[in-house]
Formats: sequence, C-alpha cells, structure tokens
Amino acid sequence: DGGITQSPKYLFRKEGQNVTLSCEQNLNHDAMYWYRQDPGQGLRLIYYSQIVNDFQKGDIAEGYSVSREKKESFPLTVTSAQKNPTAFYLCASKITGVGTEAFFGQGTRLTVV
Amino acid sequence: EDQVTQSPEALRLQEGESSSLNCSYTVSGLRGLFWYRQDPGKGPEFLFTLYSAGEEKEKERLKATLTKKESFLHITAPKPEDSATYLCAVQAASYKLIFGSGTRLLVRP
Repeated sequence: DGGITQSPKYLFRKEGQNVTLSCEQNLNHDAMYWYRQDPGQGLRLIYYSQIVNDFQKGDIAEGYSVSREKKESFPLTVTSAQKNPTAFYLCASKITGVGTEAFFGQGTRLTVV
Repeated sequence: EDQVTQSPEALRLQEGESSSLNCSYTVSGLRGLFWYRQDPGKGPEFLFTLYSAGEEKEKERLKATLTKKESFLHITAPKPEDSATYLCAVQAASYKLIFGSGTRLLVRP
C-alpha cells in the first residue's frame, strides 16, 4: 500500500534534548512538508522541500532543522532551541506541480516533560 | 504576504441544518485551493481541489466553490458524522502550501 508514515506516534522529550521525527513516503512524491499544529489551531509551515538535497524555511523554522538526502525521507529535528515544542507534528507529500493535492501522515504528538 | 483566513472558527448545527464555511485568501500566483477534513488526533484527509474562479466540486453532502478572493464549503443537510475540523489551504507560486486555522464543525443529532 502506498502512503506516508510518521513515527513515532507519541514522543516525550526532556528539556534541553534534541529529538528527531521520522517521515517516510512510498508515493514517489518529490515535494514534502512539515507542519506544526497547536490545540484548536490550524497548520503552520515549518519547512518544505521540492527536491532531494534542497529545502526552504517556512513560517516558523526557528528551533527546527531538516534534511532531504533521499526522495522518500524528510526527517525533522526539534532542537533544544525550540522553546515551546509541545505540539502535534504533521508531515505531507505531493507531486510537484500545479494544484496537486498533498497527502498527510497520521502525525506525531510531541510532549516536553 | 500570502495569507488564508477561515470563518467561522466554530460552527454548531442541528442535523439537517445546511450552512457554509468561508475561506478567504491573498496569495501571489494561486496554484490551487484545497479543502481538507481533519478528525481529532488524525492527519488531514483531502476533499477537493479548485483551480480557477467559478469552479465547483461536489462530494456527497459537501460542495466547494471558488471566486477570485474566497472559497466556500457548503454543507447540505449535515449528519453527526460530518462533525470535524475543515481546513482550507492554498498553494502559492513559491510552492508553499499555506493553511488557514480551520473551522470546527459540530453537528448535533
């Protein structure tokens, strides 16, 4: 089955630690996105990538880092510089092109303890 | 600056009571407008893509329309299972995919 997989589903982080969220897709999509969602709010763009080895900052990139070494994978690292990391993180992928829809994973809920 | 605004923030309807959700946008070089449904704790599920003003799409009790400045999601005779958050997104010329804050819909039996 084709799809986009995020892991883990739940993640707990101690203050001062870096954590990495995984996002893998087997849809052969070129474009991938990371979003953050806070309770009762919409999705805010963290980073996006249109092609391997290239990515751009979104609206709230501070305290986050990404890499795009493979087409299938777009991991997100939440660094200790992110002061309020507790949130629901969503990864999406799509075909690069006009008006093509994005498909989402089921999300990772990150909690700082 | 590219921006998407959804209203209302929350909407409560009785089963069978039709209504509309609004998505207004300002974006340079619209490449598409998308509607998604999101259930609690889940990733958004794709509903519709609209490309140009005047376009309409339908799926069961949902109908999406698009003008040059806004889109509407019309819900006809809703059922409790239509309760969810509905998200609107636009793709800009920069290939950013920008979401609104969503409308939380509750349909009571």
